[in-house]
Amino acid sequence: GDSVTQMEGPVTLSEEAFLTINCTYTATGYPSLFWYVQYPGEGLQLLLKATKADDKGSNKGFEATYRKETTSFHLEKGSVQVSDSAVYFCALSDRPSSARQLTFGSGTQLTVLP
Amino acid sequence: EADIYQTPRYLVIGTGKKITLECSQTMGHDKMYWYQQDPGMELHLIHYSYGVNSTEKGDLSSESTVSRIRTEHFPLTLESARPSHTSQYLCASSESRTGYTGELFFGEGSRLTVL
Repeated sequence: GDSVTQMEGPVTLSEEAFLTINCTYTATGYPSLFWYVQYPGEGLQLLLKATKADDKGSNKGFEATYRKETTSFHLEKGSVQVSDSAVYFCALSDRPSSARQLTFGSGTQLTVLP
Repeated sequence: EADIYQTPRYLVIGTGKKITLECSQTMGHDKMYWYQQDPGMELHLIHYSYGVNSTEKGDLSSESTVSRIRTEHFPLTLESARPSHTSQYLCASSESRTGYTGELFFGEGSRLTVL
């Protein structure tokens, strides 16, 4: 079945540091890939997405490239801010016609210190 | 901007009480979901719905029940709450139009504490 493996946290960085959160996946078809972010006390929000191989999703300075050859979708940001402190979830969608279509990773807690 | 609302945001109750967590969306989405989020932050799908009068159990067994009488409304009920039900509950919705890529829209969550 489908699965998503995320880099384990927690991750603690200083402000302006470079961020990478690794995400690899297993899927039978050609999934769409997502990064969701959960700020403290809130629900999840879509951060970025990519729907086919070699697509790059980007938003708020974050980027991730859909790499089919390595089945990866790593999240990167060149210079993190304190406001980026949150939990980040990698996810995939492999069966758009099915209600049970999103498979989530286990989440990575990021803390950015001033 | 997502228009999906959950109430209450926070609830503290005693063991044995019946509780209902409300979830409503104004986007006309046909699919709705309930996730339970454990302290380690991992998400577990406990219920989902394809549309009105359709409900299914998710990957994680739950003593809660759901109903879908109206498209916009997907309440979750616990008949007799126990401390083991203490958790964060997240409601989400999505649409199933042609070309849909799987994005979910989440509410802000209901944090339940059972004493």
